[in-house]
Amino acid sequence: SQTIHQWPATLVQPVGSPLSLECTVEGTSNPNLYWYRQAAGRGLQLLFYSVGIGQISSEVPQNLSASRPQDRQFILSSKKLLLSDSGFYLCAWKGQMNTGELFFGEGSRLTVL
Amino acid sequence: DQQVKQNSPSLSVQEGRISILNCDYTNSMFDYFLWYKKYPAEGPTFLISISSIKDKNEDGRFTVFLNKSAKHLSLHIVPSQPGDSAVYFCAASARTSGSRLTFGEGTQLTVNP
Repeated sequence: SQTIHQWPATLVQPVGSPLSLECTVEGTSNPNLYWYRQAAGRGLQLLFYSVGIGQISSEVPQNLSASRPQDRQFILSSKKLLLSDSGFYLCAWKGQMNTGELFFGEGSRLTVL
Repeated sequence: DQQVKQNSPSLSVQEGRISILNCDYTNSMFDYFLWYKKYPAEGPTFLISISSIKDKNEDGRFTVFLNKSAKHLSLHIVPSQPGDSAVYFCAASARTSGSRLTFGEGTQLTVNP
């Protein structure tokens, strides 16, 4: 069966520090991978998605970047965090032939102080 | 531009009664709709979906209704149980946009014993 893991689960970082959130998927090949952020009153906002290794699409301009160094690994990064980067970040995957259902990781709570 | 909207941020119902969560969308290209359920500090989990070729889909206590002409869908939970208390997200996708999901803002459902 397929599983998705992301870490760390919680992170408290000072403004200006770097960020790295990691997500891995097991039990499937060539998944579509996604990073979402949950913000109050705005639901789940799509930040990045990837259809393959090295292929990253950004949905909104921001202080973050994403990379996909391996087929089942998706990394969310920042060189210098802003206060506004605080939030709940969710990684998700979808099979290539799937109609649209996403499977989400456990989420990572980031607090920037 | 919020293409998927859940206008009620919260809903409170009595155990055993019906819960009705509503969702409106603006993009006429959306052809697949999903509901996700989310507990605090966890990733969303898929609940039920409906394709645009249908107007109703039922799974146990959960039924989703789709009114394409009104661009409106709703999730009915009957009977409601205290364990149903969670945030419910409506999501929509279009084949023309690679089936990426667009989420609503979420509705916090509280089922009182």
